[in-house]
Amino acid sequence: QSALTQPASVSGSPGQSITISCTGTSSDVGAFDYVSWYQQHPDKAPKLLIYDVNKRPSGASYRFSASKSGNVASLTISGLQAGDEADYYCSSYTTSNTYVFGTGTKVTVL
Amino acid sequence: EVQLLESGGGSGQPGGSLTLSCAASGFTFDNYAMNWVRQAPGKGLEWVSTITLTGLTTYYADSVKGRFTISRDNAKNTLYLHMNSLRVEDTAVYYCVRDVRIFQYWGRGTLVTVSS
Repeated sequence: QSALTQPASVSGSPGQSITISCTGTSSDVGAFDYVSWYQQHPDKAPKLLIYDVNKRPSGASYRFSASKSGNVASLTISGLQAGDEADYYCSSYTTSNTYVFGTGTKVTVL
Repeated sequence: EVQLLESGGGSGQPGGSLTLSCAASGFTFDNYAMNWVRQAPGKGLEWVSTITLTGLTTYYADSVKGRFTISRDNAKNTLYLHMNSLRVEDTAVYYCVRDVRIFQYWGRGTLVTVSS
């Protein structure tokens, strides 16, 4: 049950787009279309941004989009805003009937 | 409004035991599987355990298998995590999370600190 691999940090200027990758294996990311993404501000519970690879829950901003290719999932934040500065985590269901989270990515708005 | 309220956190010694509770409201509790997810101080999220609607099937992370037991009381709308043989590395905020695959609703978490 190794964590999915994400870049430790990604940064961008306001208005720009950034992309966070999430690399897994054929036993998790590559096995199902059950990848989700979460945003976590300091001392807050995580917030669901994306589920089932590219679906947005009601109330989630259209500025967040996601995709998957093989064992790699990606989250794109468009029109970067100051409030997007947070930690981001991917997650996937696995062939062992368990879940695995990514290592987390700190997004900094320059 | 969906509400998940964890309790039972606190300090414990290595080898000791603690039981966490999660009181659920705002939805039909026995219609949803439930989970525990934890986060060590300054670290990332780690899935801990899942229990199905009826409680008959449970799943665990390798790191807690054989030491932790997830259970639920659908009559009391409450989820539990019984933690035995605690280790220093179990120190974390423990979140109660509704549903499977889509972790949309999270509690605020309860802090468990294991130290001698």
